[in-house]
Amino acid sequence: GENVEQHPSTLSVQEGDSAVIKCTYSDSASNYFPWYKQELGKGPQLIIDIRSNVGEKKDQRIAVTLNKTAKHFSLHITETQPEDSAVYFCAASIGGTYKYIFGTGTRLKVLA
Amino acid sequence: EAGVTQSPTHLIKTRGQQATLRCSPISGHTSVYWYQQALGLGLQFLLWYDEGEERNRGNFPPRFSGRQFPNYSSELNVNALELEDSALYLCASSLGGGAADTQYFGPGTRLTVL
Repeated sequence: GENVEQHPSTLSVQEGDSAVIKCTYSDSASNYFPWYKQELGKGPQLIIDIRSNVGEKKDQRIAVTLNKTAKHFSLHITETQPEDSAVYFCAASIGGTYKYIFGTGTRLKVLA
Repeated sequence: EAGVTQSPTHLIKTRGQQATLRCSPISGHTSVYWYQQALGLGLQFLLWYDEGEERNRGNFPPRFSGRQFPNYSSELNVNALELEDSALYLCASSLGGGAADTQYFGPGTRLTVL
């Protein structure tokens, strides 16, 4: 069945350093890849997304890259700040449909 | 513009009881999704409603059910509660129609079953 693998499960970086989280998906028909940030006690918030017709997208300190051939996509956070500390989830749509498969999450800790 | 809202924030029930959780989508969104997030785990798809109809459900028993109202708000009902139903229940909404649209999440309802 469809699957999304996310690595690493935990990541600690020093403030100001970069953080990279990687996801691999199995459904070659997936065409939409959102990233969510979830802070403690809150619901996931969309931080960036990318569609399969684009290879890279940036929004200030956050970027996502997509490699359709290898079926993997990555989240890049530059100049990390303590408020970036949270759990990050990747997701991939199944085919072109509404249904997402979520990765298992990465707990990011930014050390001041 | 108001985001997705959910109520109540917390809900404490005992085993065997029923729980009702409510969700109001973003204005203009017709699709509502329900997810279960057990402690330390990822998001598991529960149900999808669009235009008042249940369109799909995840791998959960029939005691998890719900409905969508004409104003597109939704409620999730969990009957015969079991201890393992304790989790954060998240509602999300999107423009609908079944396409791969962005889903926007609410803050969740924390259900505790004692």
